[in-house]
Amino acid sequence: DAGVIQSPRHEVTEMGQEVTLRCKPISGHNSLFWYRQTMMRGLELLIYFNNNVPIDDSGMPEDRFSAKMPNASFSTLKIQPSEPRDSAVYFCASSAGLAGVNEQFFGPGTRLTVL
Amino acid sequence: AQTVTQSQPEMSVQEAETVTLSCTYDTSESDYYLFWYKQPPSRQMILVIRQEAYKQQNATENRFSVNFQKAAKSFSLKISDSQLGDAAMYFCAYSTYPQGGSEKLVFGKGTKLTVNP
Repeated sequence: DAGVIQSPRHEVTEMGQEVTLRCKPISGHNSLFWYRQTMMRGLELLIYFNNNVPIDDSGMPEDRFSAKMPNASFSTLKIQPSEPRDSAVYFCASSAGLAGVNEQFFGPGTRLTVL
Repeated sequence: AQTVTQSQPEMSVQEAETVTLSCTYDTSESDYYLFWYKQPPSRQMILVIRQEAYKQQNATENRFSVNFQKAAKSFSLKISDSQLGDAAMYFCAYSTYPQGGSEKLVFGKGTKLTVNP
């Protein structure tokens, strides 16, 4: 298995531009998580899905952030418009979503820089 | 809300020696999971070890073991026979016990481990 796949690995954009981050979870996993990592705030959950349905989006900073999971094999995190404070590493993780099991597998992350 | 605290921002150890990383957490739940993740400079998050709260026996994975003290809400990681490849950021994480699906992870701020040759 290729593991969790994220694209792009690096993104540099200018303030005000739209940014879309993409994630392909491990095949057969039905839970998907988006985390953000910064020096100041550490690793924090933005949103997660079970069976393509958003369960908890309380970590989404503001309306500029949106996430979708149109099917079991693909998710996007969109920032529009982007701001310099959005610069961070964004991780996608997936898990099998079985009762009693909660091992999450992380993708390599997308390093976002907003100038 | 659950919180995870790692009080040691940085630690160092000599190669082949043993080091212990500390983690405390706060929760009102009785069933939950605890994890240690390793993040090397490549920034890939790698699961090192996990512990189910209902299990009294401490988890071990080769050179990695934990000291789980449920009453004290403490979950430390011991690395024995440290190797240069162990140098990384280590994150302690908590999740509630998944009932019908996965649960989010709550992370500590991390401990940067340096291994000296």
